[in-house]
Amino acid sequence: GAVVSQHPSRVICKSGTSVKIECRSLDFQATTMFWYRQFPKQSLMLMATSNEGSKATYEQGVEKDKFLINHASLTLSTLTVTSAHPEDSSFYICSARLASDEQFFGPGTRLTVL
Amino acid sequence: GEDVEQSLFLSVREGDSSVINCTYTDSSSTYLYWYKQEPGAGLQLLTYIFSNMDMKQDQRLTVLLNKKDKHLSLRIADTQTGDSAIYFCAEMAGANNLFFGTGTRLTVIP
Repeated sequence: GAVVSQHPSRVICKSGTSVKIECRSLDFQATTMFWYRQFPKQSLMLMATSNEGSKATYEQGVEKDKFLINHASLTLSTLTVTSAHPEDSSFYICSARLASDEQFFGPGTRLTVL
Repeated sequence: GEDVEQSLFLSVREGDSSVINCTYTDSSSTYLYWYKQEPGAGLQLLTYIFSNMDMKQDQRLTVLLNKKDKHLSLRIADTQTGDSAIYFCAEMAGANNLFFGTGTRLTVIP
């Protein structure tokens, strides 16, 4: 099946710094990518829907100035957590959707903010 | 990465049981999950099973795990129209890496 990669898989940063997470579709083009956040043993929370070439659509309660999403090409979307705080520590997962509605998920990025 | 496979589509009549199947590849998986995604919504965690269990039941949901065959299934009893959604299985393999199937679209026919 199609492959979605995320980089890095794990990152530790100091409070107040910014962290960029990349999501790539390796062998297909995805017009739509999704960013999720997961707390331990809880549901994945949809943060935003990212469409190539346009601004991301953020879910209610998600600060767009804090979680910057850029979908510059059909194979790459980035999520930047700006001025990270310990409460931003979480597991971030992206997915890419084909026109057929299939979704392919990245392996996730574990962010720890000290 | 790991390979998690599911059938893309399933149709059942209202009131019947639905069985959604999933196969995975990593024998060291610790947890296996079932998520539900309704149109326009994020993924909702339905249930999960620890890898040393064979079965878990939660109201209308029954999860069966066959570790030998690396096969996971989700049975929904008395399927209702509100159960129509996309169902994803996922395995936790390695250090905090979640690998998802492509999702099974369940359509419940009234």
